[in-house]
Amino acid sequence: DAMVIQNPRYQVTQFGKPVTLSCSQTLNHNVMYWYQQKSSQAPKLLFHYYDKDFNNEADTPDNFQSRRPNTSFCFLDIRSPGLGDAAMYLCATGGRGYTFGSGTRLTVV
Amino acid sequence: DQQVKQNSPSLSVQEGRISILNCDYTNSMFDYFLWYKKYPAEGPTFLISISSIKDKNEDGRFTVFLNKSAKHLSLHIVPSQPGDSAVYFCGAKNRDDKIIFGKGTRLHILP
Repeated sequence: DAMVIQNPRYQVTQFGKPVTLSCSQTLNHNVMYWYQQKSSQAPKLLFHYYDKDFNNEADTPDNFQSRRPNTSFCFLDIRSPGLGDAAMYLCATGGRGYTFGSGTRLTVV
Repeated sequence: DQQVKQNSPSLSVQEGRISILNCDYTNSMFDYFLWYKKYPAEGPTFLISISSIKDKNEDGRFTVFLNKSAKHLSLHIVPSQPGDSAVYFCGAKNRDDKIIFGKGTRLHILP
């Protein structure tokens, strides 16, 4: 089955300690998205890639970076996580209806 | 400012009855609308969509209605089943192909 896989499912990191979340896809889609979803809020787009072309949303903090080494993989790097960065992070591939991964729930302690 | 609004945080419906989930939007440039279903500890799953050139799209038990003049869409589920209990997100796209989501509505199907 064509899939979007996020690892890990749950991540605990220390305040200020860099953390990387990963996403892979078997759909071979050229567009990938990262969303942040906090409790009871709408998923918020952080950035997306069209092939290797990186597109940052205007209000995405500089603390959030991303890498896409190839079509299949995309990484979200949080350089200095704060308590306010605790959230579910969702990766998706493009298309008319996105295909989402299961998400990574990040806890900052 | 929210461009996509789901004003009901939760909704309870008896099994077998119709569930109606509502969504309002403010951006008239949106040309494609989607509904996603999300179970706990899973990512959202695409359910059904509608283009702005249509006013209705049906897929089995799920129908989406679009009222462009009112900037309103709704998802109808009939008959409602226990497995429909989930959070439903409304999303909207414009030509830049990015989905803007609402906050979601938690649907509880009661036995």
